[in-house]
Amino acid sequence: ETGVTQSPTHLIKTRGQQVTLRCSSQSGHNTVSWYQQALGQGPQFIFQYYREEENGRGNFPPRFSGLQFPNYSSELNVNALELDDSALYLCASSLRSGGGTGELFFGEGSRLTVL
Amino acid sequence: GENVEQHPSTLSVQEGDSAVIKCTYSDSASNYFPWYKQELGKRPQLIIDIRSNVGEKKDQRIAVTLNKTAKHFSLHITETQPEDSAVYFCAASKPSNTGKLIFGQGTTLQVKP
Repeated sequence: ETGVTQSPTHLIKTRGQQVTLRCSSQSGHNTVSWYQQALGQGPQFIFQYYREEENGRGNFPPRFSGLQFPNYSSELNVNALELDDSALYLCASSLRSGGGTGELFFGEGSRLTVL
Repeated sequence: GENVEQHPSTLSVQEGDSAVIKCTYSDSASNYFPWYKQELGKRPQLIIDIRSNVGEKKDQRIAVTLNKTAKHFSLHITETQPEDSAVYFCAASKPSNTGKLIFGQGTTLQVKP
């Protein structure tokens, strides 16, 4: 069973640039959620994808966008980067069935630094 | 809006003692309450969870209790060991937003040998 993998693990960007982060979900999972974790804080929900469509969004501006592919992998795109976007971005996958979403399995995260 | 408050922010105990972390949630529709352990530089890992149809759940040295009326839930770790040292997060979600977890601010637990 393959766990959740994310890439890249670390990256540095400058203000105003754009970034794409990638996530491969755990085998058998059909739902991907993205979280932003600032230093010393709990993860904050950005959005969730199910069946290639956004299915729930947190309090993040439209410059945060995403995609889910037929193989359930996902991308998080952030445009017009701001200094406050510096954080650990976590991807979590889960299996959504008739009874709702099961346990979330997190990847190791992508550490983004915006200068 | 939805909110989860977690206390204390830091907790230091001697090896072998018990540790208790408490969380309060605001949305009465919440029905799923997981606890995650995050070691430095690592991913959050689920250690125990509870759903609103039960009041207590135990797994070896770890237990979680839920009081729906008061909207709070707690993590209890007994016989703490140095490897229990980490940041612990509580979270809550509701049926209409499965996959969306509202996390607490975290508790840094230090277990002194």
